[in-house]
Amino acid sequence: DAGVIQSPRHEVTEMGQEVTLRCKPISGHDYLFWYRQTMMRGLELLIYFNNNVPIDDSGMPEDRFSAKMPNASFSTLKIQPSEPRDSAVYFCASSLGGGGAPGETQYFGPGTRLLVL
Amino acid sequence: LAKTTQPISMDSYEGQEVNITCSHNNIATNDYITWYQQFPSQGPRFIIQGYKTKVTNEVASLFIPADRKSSTLSLPRVSLSDTAVYYCLVGEVGGGNKLTFGTGTQLKVEL
Repeated sequence: DAGVIQSPRHEVTEMGQEVTLRCKPISGHDYLFWYRQTMMRGLELLIYFNNNVPIDDSGMPEDRFSAKMPNASFSTLKIQPSEPRDSAVYFCASSLGGGGAPGETQYFGPGTRLLVL
Repeated sequence: LAKTTQPISMDSYEGQEVNITCSHNNIATNDYITWYQQFPSQGPRFIIQGYKTKVTNEVASLFIPADRKSSTLSLPRVSLSDTAVYYCLVGEVGGGNKLTFGTGTQLKVEL
């Protein structure tokens, strides 16, 4: 398996523009997580899905952020409109279970480095 | 969710054993303890997981005392390539429980 795939790897955009980040989880994994990492706040969980259904989006910073998982092999995280403070590395991860117990290891993608000017 | 506390940073030298301790005072009965490692420009990677006593794999050992309110990740004979950020997490058995990554411990290994 190729692991978790994210695209693009780097994104530079201007304030106010729409940004769409994409993720392909590992086949067979039923959980998908979106994280954001910054120097100031560390690694934050934004939202996670179980069997394509959003379970907890309490980490989504505000209404400008939205995430979808139309099928088991694809998810998107969208920011509209983007702001400079959204600049961060966004990681997608997938796992067989919720990630807390044996066999539920989270596998992370390489991340998307977003810069909003 | 059980909150974890780790040192912000640690320094070591090649060949030394490094022990990173994590506090999780309100750990629940069903919680497991998991450690992840993150290198610059990469996503975190699973290192080791345990519930109680001691767990050892090819890269690390995890020591958990009887009260489970803390845990210690032990890296034997570290090398420069072990320079990374290490995260301690606690999570419940079963699906649907999100994990919280704290700020982690930045380990720097020097010659």
